[in-house]
Amino acid sequence: EVQLLESGGGSVQPGGSLRLSCAASGFTFSAFPMAWVRQAPGKGLEWVSAISGDGSDTPCADSVQGRFTISRDNSKNTLYLQMNSLRAEDTALYYCAKALMAAPRCYDSWGQGTLVTVSS
Amino acid sequence: EVVLTQSPGTLSLSPGEGATLSCRPSQSVSSTSLAWYQQKPGQAPRLLIYGTSSRATGIPDRFSGSGSGTDFTLTISRLEPEDFAVYYCQRYDSSPRAFGQGTKVEIK
Repeated sequence: EVQLLESGGGSVQPGGSLRLSCAASGFTFSAFPMAWVRQAPGKGLEWVSAISGDGSDTPCADSVQGRFTISRDNSKNTLYLQMNSLRAEDTALYYCAKALMAAPRCYDSWGQGTLVTVSS
Repeated sequence: EVVLTQSPGTLSLSPGEGATLSCRPSQSVSSTSLAWYQQKPGQAPRLLIYGTSSRATGIPDRFSGSGSGTDFTLTISRLEPEDFAVYYCQRYDSSPRAFGQGTKVEIK
């Protein structure tokens, strides 16, 4: 059974940093692209960033370009999101998601999310 | 940047009725790269449809997808109580892999 467990969320002041982690199990982690998707309170889904299985391709949304960095450690079956220069508008529930093998840019398994709150 | 516009914003229906949800990208999207997700309150999204019309594992056949280019549709043939939720479309042919703003299907 696929399991994705996010951690690392919390409260931070504007301009601060956080690193999110997503521990994966139940599948061959290195074989699948992964992604971070966020959801602001009461709002819709926003794709943040994705990463290929080998970590060589890391597209991201314009809203986080230059501030957020996605990475992965395939030896630890873990996905990361380093978030710097955080803004109030980054406040959201951050989901880790696993790509579908048949369509590697949409997501068939999701974690339960970790909440990031950016406030002074 | 491609914007996906979903309509209606809210659909009020009764169990047993059919539902038709629309997703209109601002630019043409490959039919191999359009997905639909369902999200219930307090839960993570669930993949329903990928590649416009392929059902994900375990998705009942009352859910179907169709469309091409700038006009895509998710159809729920007969609403079950567990189908009342928010539905999102997503394009994934290129980055950003944007989502639509969502359609809420609520009980009338």
